[in-house]
Amino acid sequence: KNQVEQSPQSLIILEGKNCTLQCNYTVSPFSNLRWYKQDTGRGPVSLTIMTFSENTKSNGRYTATLDADTKQSSLHITASQLSDSASYICVVSAGGYNKLIFGAGTRLAVHP
Amino acid sequence: NAGVTQTPKFRVLKTGQSMTLLCAQDMNHEYMYWYRQDPGMGLRLIHYSVGEGTTAKGEVPDGYNVSRLKKQNFLLGLESAAPSQTSVYFCASSSIRGNEQFFGPGTRLTVL
Repeated sequence: KNQVEQSPQSLIILEGKNCTLQCNYTVSPFSNLRWYKQDTGRGPVSLTIMTFSENTKSNGRYTATLDADTKQSSLHITASQLSDSASYICVVSAGGYNKLIFGAGTRLAVHP
Repeated sequence: NAGVTQTPKFRVLKTGQSMTLLCAQDMNHEYMYWYRQDPGMGLRLIHYSVGEGTTAKGEVPDGYNVSRLKKQNFLLGLESAAPSQTSVYFCASSSIRGNEQFFGPGTRLTVL
């Protein structure tokens, strides 16, 4: 069964600190992996997308890594800001526009 | 560009009532999708459309119907609402390549 598991479920950090969110997946076939940011009361917004051959991709203070061998991805947030408080969702594509497998998300709270 | 918009933002229904959720996009996207998001779970695909006049079932289609009479609009209908349909509903759209889905702000539906 195709699954995407994220950890931790929730995380609290102080403003200015770094953090890393984890995503493990068992999806086949694998097409790409995307990280979304979802602010409270809003729809998800794409942060990064990585294909099988890409190991790392950055978007400002967000850096995603992908290990296709171990089927793991991480999202590293550097120098966190209050505006980073949101849910971060890992999404794996199983080869089609209608075959996206969504993780349950990690809820991040950045405190001053 | 407004992107993807959804109406209404909130709705409370009694069991057995019917309603229609409207999704509109101004990006000229071919593909449109309806998802539901429940606590502790990833987004799940209800129905999707690959073009005007076409619809297809997703992962959790039971109890819902959809229509795509115009390219820019995708309607989600509940004929006889049940408490199990209490959820947040998201509409999304993507281009033909389907590499990235753009999400609306969501509709929070409560069925009593």
